[in-house]
Amino acid sequence: GESVGLHLPTLSVQEGDNSIINCAYSNSASDYFIWYKQESGKGPQFIIDIRSNMDKRQGQRVTVLLNKTVKHLSLQIAATQPGDSAVYFCAGGANSKLTFGKGITLSVRP
Amino acid sequence: GAGVSQTPSNKVTEKGKYVELRCDPISGHTALYWYRQSLGQGPEFLIYFQGTGAADDSGLPNDRFFAVRPEGSVSTLKIQRTERGDSAVYLCASSLGRGGRGEQFFGPGTRLTVL
Repeated sequence: GESVGLHLPTLSVQEGDNSIINCAYSNSASDYFIWYKQESGKGPQFIIDIRSNMDKRQGQRVTVLLNKTVKHLSLQIAATQPGDSAVYFCAGGANSKLTFGKGITLSVRP
Repeated sequence: GAGVSQTPSNKVTEKGKYVELRCDPISGHTALYWYRQSLGQGPEFLIYFQGTGAADDSGLPNDRFFAVRPEGSVSTLKIQRTERGDSAVYLCASSLGRGGRGEQFFGPGTRLTVL
């Protein structure tokens, strides 16, 4: 079946360092992929998305890389800040329907 | 402007009872989505509305779950004969566009606890 999953459940980084969060997906029919950030007690917040025909997209302090050959997605956060601490989800989208992975917790050490 | 709002924020009910969860999308957003999120998991798609009609309800787990959006704005998710396994956070999201990559804006969710 369709699934999107993350390699690691938790990631701890030093403030100021770069973070890399990885995700694997199984459904090649996804038209696009999205990274969401979710803080405790809140709904997911959009970070960045990428079309399936692209391999890289940059935002403010974030970069998403897509490798369709190995069905791998990553989120890079530059100069990680305490406010980046949250659970991060990748999701694959097709026909407006999103399939989310389980989530990884990013913890930023001061 | 206001974001997506959901009421109530918390709902505790007893097994077998009926519950309604409300979602107020961002004004002007034609698409509305319901998801369910269990502890430690990512949101799970339930149903998607485009305007007043359910464009995709393939995620509804069974016929105890039903959702409406009669005027194309506010939506209500209805759960009959609740079971303990229905306990989760129910998230609503809305977006501008019809299909495609329209960014989905999520509400804070309703935490449903079935005792």
